[in-house]
Amino acid sequence: GNSVTQMEGPVTLSEEAFLTINCTYTATGYPSLFWYVQYPGEGLQLLLKATKADDKGSNKGFEATYRKETTSFHLEKGSVQVSDSAVYFCALSDSWSGSEKLVFGKGMKLTVNP
Amino acid sequence: DVKVTQSSRYLVKRTGEKVFLECVQDMDHENMFWYRQDPGLGLRLIYFSYDVKMKEKGDIPEGYSVSREKKERFSLILESASTNQTSMYLCASTLRGLEADTQYFGPGTRLTVL
Repeated sequence: GNSVTQMEGPVTLSEEAFLTINCTYTATGYPSLFWYVQYPGEGLQLLLKATKADDKGSNKGFEATYRKETTSFHLEKGSVQVSDSAVYFCALSDSWSGSEKLVFGKGMKLTVNP
Repeated sequence: DVKVTQSSRYLVKRTGEKVFLECVQDMDHENMFWYRQDPGLGLRLIYFSYDVKMKEKGDIPEGYSVSREKKERFSLILESASTNQTSMYLCASTLRGLEADTQYFGPGTRLTVL
């Protein structure tokens, strides 16, 4: 079945450091890919998404490119801030099958120190 | 903005009790989901619903049931709570169709079963 594998951390960075969180997937059909973020004490919220190969999703300085050839959707940010401290989840949906469910990775906790 | 609310942020129950977790969304979404979130395991789907009175099992339905009598409300029921159901429970909703894969989450209910 469909699955998502992502870096699990936890990861601690200093402010203004470069961030990469790796995410690879296994899926049949043509999945859409997502990054969700969970700030402390809150539910998940959509950070960015890409619906087809070579699409780039971007939001709040974060970017991720849908790479079908490497089945990857790595999240990057050039300069992290303390406010980026959160748990990050990679996810996919299989739009081909018409399924409206998401499959999530295990999440990665990021702490950014001043 | 879409708003998904959950009846309690924190809940403490005793083993064997019947527990109701309520979720309400205010954007007329067709699809609603219940997940549990555990450290190292990420989000796992318990049940979901595509319409009123309709339910489908997710990946870990054992020990849970659900009810969807109105479109805006989706209840998760623990018939006889056990300590291994101590977890964070997250509700989500989404439209059907092109935007079906973007899920909107509530803040979560942290349930402790003693």
